[in-house]
Amino acid sequence: NAGVTQTPKFQVLKTGQSMTLQCAQDMNHEYMSWYRQDPGMGLRLIHYSVGAGITDQGEVPNGYNVSRSTTEDFPLRLLSAAPSQTSVYFCASSYDRVNQPQHFGDGTRLSIL
Amino acid sequence: DAKTTQPNSMESNEEEPVHLPCNHSTISGTDYIHWYRQLPSQGPEYVIHGLTSNVNNRMASLAIAEDRKSSTLILHRATLRDAAVYYCILSSGNTGKLIFGQGTTLQVKP
Repeated sequence: NAGVTQTPKFQVLKTGQSMTLQCAQDMNHEYMSWYRQDPGMGLRLIHYSVGAGITDQGEVPNGYNVSRSTTEDFPLRLLSAAPSQTSVYFCASSYDRVNQPQHFGDGTRLSIL
Repeated sequence: DAKTTQPNSMESNEEEPVHLPCNHSTISGTDYIHWYRQLPSQGPEYVIHGLTSNVNNRMASLAIAEDRKSSTLILHRATLRDAAVYYCILSSGNTGKLIFGQGTTLQVKP
């Protein structure tokens, strides 16, 4: 059971480049979400999804897009990378959105030069 | 979204109990109280959660005040592996969003 898998683990981008962070879960979880964590800070919610075809914005959605075409996958797209998006990105999933533990991936460490 | 207040850091001795406090005075009736912890260079790990009643699991206990405006995470016997940042989080009853604060950094001394 792989749980929540994030790829890549590390990435360096130049300002203005675009990229997609991948997140996949094999637990048949309906709820998935993306967070970013800046040094010394708690996690901040970027986008979340309560099921395939449904997404919504979190606290800090600007500069990011998401889609949810399948239950398993929830990719996060950076449209035009900026140095302010340098952070560690975590994906999480759970059975439902309210009363179930969320399972987190190991994170993607992203640096934008 | 309701917010939580936690001490920035706490220290404990190994094999002693640890009580980690959390204030959430603006909690609404449908908000769940969650605790997660994060070890260095890892993603957060679920510890425990509850709504109104005290909760116990193999990792910890959660004591919730009668007015639900505060809660305490109890680690019964701290080990060195329990050194981590502990986050007290309220989960919105409508959206389920977890809003993280800055957490409490727990140091465990041998």
